[in-house]
Amino acid sequence: KQEVTQIPAALSVPEGENLVLNCSFTDSAIYNLQWFRQDPGKGLTSLLLIQSSQREQTSGRLNASLDKSSGRSTLYIAASQPGDSATYLCAVSPLSNFNKFYFGSGTKLNVKP
Amino acid sequence: NAGVTQTPKFQVLKTGQSMTLQCAQDMNHEYMSWYRQDPGMGLRLIHYSVGAGITDQGEVPNGYNVSRSTTEDFPLRLLSAAPSQTSVYFCASSPLAGVGGAQYFGPGTRLLVL
Repeated sequence: KQEVTQIPAALSVPEGENLVLNCSFTDSAIYNLQWFRQDPGKGLTSLLLIQSSQREQTSGRLNASLDKSSGRSTLYIAASQPGDSATYLCAVSPLSNFNKFYFGSGTKLNVKP
Repeated sequence: NAGVTQTPKFQVLKTGQSMTLQCAQDMNHEYMSWYRQDPGMGLRLIHYSVGAGITDQGEVPNGYNVSRSTTEDFPLRLLSAAPSQTSVYFCASSPLAGVGGAQYFGPGTRLLVL
């Protein structure tokens, strides 16, 4: 079974800092990997989707990379803002069944003004 | 478009009661799914569907039933609620059946089983 880990569980940084969130997975046979944002008491919002054949995806100040061989993905946030404060989750879908998704427990980010 | 909607937003049940959590989407998505989220844990897949009349089990299906009679609706049924089913439930949909894709999530239903 695929295991997805996100470390650290929580992160606090001053506004303006560049930061990296980590996601690791145990089985490299994945179909795709997604990064989500979850605000308190809300549903999830998809940020970036990386297909297994891709190395990275970018959207505005966000850049996600994927290294299947090492079972890792990183989400880079440039010039962080207080509005970036949220929980960030990654999820992978396995090649064996790309209709299933396995989530990490998330990293709670606090950007201090 | 309303996107993915879920009702109710909050529900309290007694042990042994049954109920249905409603989920609807107006984006004509073929793929729909149900997750539960417990404190300190990521989301865990309960059931999913790749189209009307087609459902399959996820990671934690026990105690839950689903059906998919239309493209728009994907209700989740708790047959006999247990305290272990206290959780936040999310419904999601995706436009790409069978090939994965970016998922759109509803706002969630908070369920408390006493």
